[in-house]
Amino acid sequence: DQQVKQNSPSLSVQEGRISILNCDYTNSMFDYFLWYKKYPAEGPTFLISISSIKDKNEDGRFTVFLNKSAKHLSLHIVPSQPGDSAVYFCAASRVGNQFYFGTGTSLTVIP
Amino acid sequence: NAGVTQTPKFRILKIGQSMTLQCTQDMNHNYMYWYRQDPGMGLKLIYYSVGAGITDKGEVPNGYNVSRSTTEDFPLRLELAAPSQTSVYFCASSYPRGGNEQFFGPGTRLTVL
Repeated sequence: DQQVKQNSPSLSVQEGRISILNCDYTNSMFDYFLWYKKYPAEGPTFLISISSIKDKNEDGRFTVFLNKSAKHLSLHIVPSQPGDSAVYFCAASRVGNQFYFGTGTSLTVIP
Repeated sequence: NAGVTQTPKFRILKIGQSMTLQCTQDMNHNYMYWYRQDPGMGLKLIYYSVGAGITDKGEVPNGYNVSRSTTEDFPLRLELAAPSQTSVYFCASSYPRGGNEQFFGPGTRLTVL
């Protein structure tokens, strides 16, 4: 049973435009959420996180939004750059418990 | 700091063979994890450890064993390799889990034929 879902396997965006990656979860007890970025032949690297007490967290070009009532989070990248082309995973957990990962969205930023 | 290192990078096994995937971290993290990633799927937790001498099962532990004799090392053992274990394996480490990011190694691509 997939507790964290990323329903878009891929996304293409023009350079300079906004990229929006979406993630849905089913467990209302999750209270911590992360986004990871993964390049081919490398391990995932941490990008940005948000706890359930917030609805937005920003770090440079990256912003994560959390809608607890909808059990939905999204990652916004503005402006998108070719180097952002990678697979993005969202992950969710209850503090003190294991993380559950989504299936990933492959982002391609077109120059 | 090297971070999290994994060896080997690639391996092909025959059905029934055994092998150990090595994982070492130099960040003095208490928590370590083993994940597998199948094509088109997310990462699934195999085993984790909260410190030396302590291990526990994750979502998909069948067919694997682990040990944690030191803070730095967390090897994953496959005793009787099966085609269903063909996957990319990632080791990760963190400070106390939940609420802290995990640092991942580069992965081991394993094929069982």
